[in-house]
Amino acid sequence: GEEVAQTPKHLVRGEGQKAKLYCAPIKGHSYVFWYQQVLKNEFKFLISFQNENVFDETGMPKERFSAKCLPNSPCSLEIQATKLEDSAVYFCASRRTGAGELFFGEGSRLTVL
Amino acid sequence: TQLLEQSPQFLSIQEGENLTVYCNSSSVFSSLQWYRQEPGEGPVLLVTVVTGGEVKKLKRLTFQFGDARKDSSLHITAAQPGDTGLYLCAGADNNNNDMRFGAGTRLTVKP
Repeated sequence: GEEVAQTPKHLVRGEGQKAKLYCAPIKGHSYVFWYQQVLKNEFKFLISFQNENVFDETGMPKERFSAKCLPNSPCSLEIQATKLEDSAVYFCASRRTGAGELFFGEGSRLTVL
Repeated sequence: TQLLEQSPQFLSIQEGENLTVYCNSSSVFSSLQWYRQEPGEGPVLLVTVVTGGEVKKLKRLTFQFGDARKDSSLHITAAQPGDTGLYLCAGADNNNNDMRFGAGTRLTVKP
């Protein structure tokens, strides 16, 4: 596609439930990034992929967060046993090469009650 | 892990005023980008600076990359309500791979 597509736009989960978010990067873009934005400001890096390979996962809370980018499928970010502090907007971004402009999706707002 | 600090965190000014926001780090970046994010949307790239001391202009916006490539500034001349948004700087490491973002400056320009 011509733009980064994220689904769902909104997701509400009870504390302890699982949440799964999806991201379809721009066609031809090899790199995918996930960011978490809390309180409309701070942009926290979670994980990046080069094609289906994890490139950097230093930002991931590994005990509950996992992510995948499989061939011919949207990338996904999954949170097991959500906590209140996971409430945030999760942004996916892609770019064609290892450098240059990041193209962002519109984000998925996760609310944990 | 590079840490990017942006200041001020919030800025509210009147239309027509000038302003400068800052992005500082103790790390050296191979490149630095500025993005603007509007409510309900993802950030959109404004500019990329690569060379130490580089100055780039985008209409009323002037971006500068520090000589040591550790800091950057964004100056807006004669701000307009349409400039309202969250301004984020993002730095790339020497491999030009992962982008780390600052916490942003939330700018409000009042008519």
